[in-house]
Amino acid sequence: AQSVTQPDIHITVSEGASLELRCNYSYGATPYLFWYVQSPGQGLQLLLKYFSGDTLVQGIKGFEAEFKRSQSSFNLRKPSVHWSDAAEYFCAVIFPMNYGGSQGNLIFGKGTKLSVKP
Amino acid sequence: DAEITQSPRHKITETGRQVTLACHQTWNHNNMFWYRQDLGHGLRLIHYSYGVQDTNKGEVSDGYSVSRSNTEDLPLTLESAASSQTSVYFCASSGGSQETQYFGPGTRLLVL
Repeated sequence: AQSVTQPDIHITVSEGASLELRCNYSYGATPYLFWYVQSPGQGLQLLLKYFSGDTLVQGIKGFEAEFKRSQSSFNLRKPSVHWSDAAEYFCAVIFPMNYGGSQGNLIFGKGTKLSVKP
Repeated sequence: DAEITQSPRHKITETGRQVTLACHQTWNHNNMFWYRQDLGHGLRLIHYSYGVQDTNKGEVSDGYSVSRSNTEDLPLTLESAASSQTSVYFCASSGGSQETQYFGPGTRLLVL
């Protein structure tokens, strides 16, 4: 079955340091790829998405993500983390319609919680 | 601005009671989804709808039902609430099956 893996459950970085959150998916072709952020007690906000084209995509709040087909990865990066970035981050994918019965639905990783040290 | 709202935002109920969570979107989106979020599981799909009168079961549909009588609303019903259904519930909508989903603020449900 298709799956999305976020190997890091919890990451702590210092304010001003760089950040990379990992995401891998299991699928033979390229799905549609998303990163969402969830602040405590809030809903999910879309950070960025990749459908096709340039493999480096820019999102809101200074985030970017790079799609690497050879590694089935879509890692999220930020060059300098701010205290307000502390949140939980979810990678999600949509596999093409009618592949394996998923019918184009969004499949989430289990999330990575980011803590920021002052 | 278009938006997606959920009500109530918090709900406490007792085991065995029927509970309905509301979801309303003004995006005019065809697709609507219900997820539950639990620690260690991320978000899991409960039910989804691709249009009026269309409903489909997701990964964790047992004990839940939905109905879609118009484009804007997809209420989620817990037929007989169980403690295992204590969770945070999110509604989402999208314009198409392979398009970005936009999420509501969530409903926190406690079943005692």
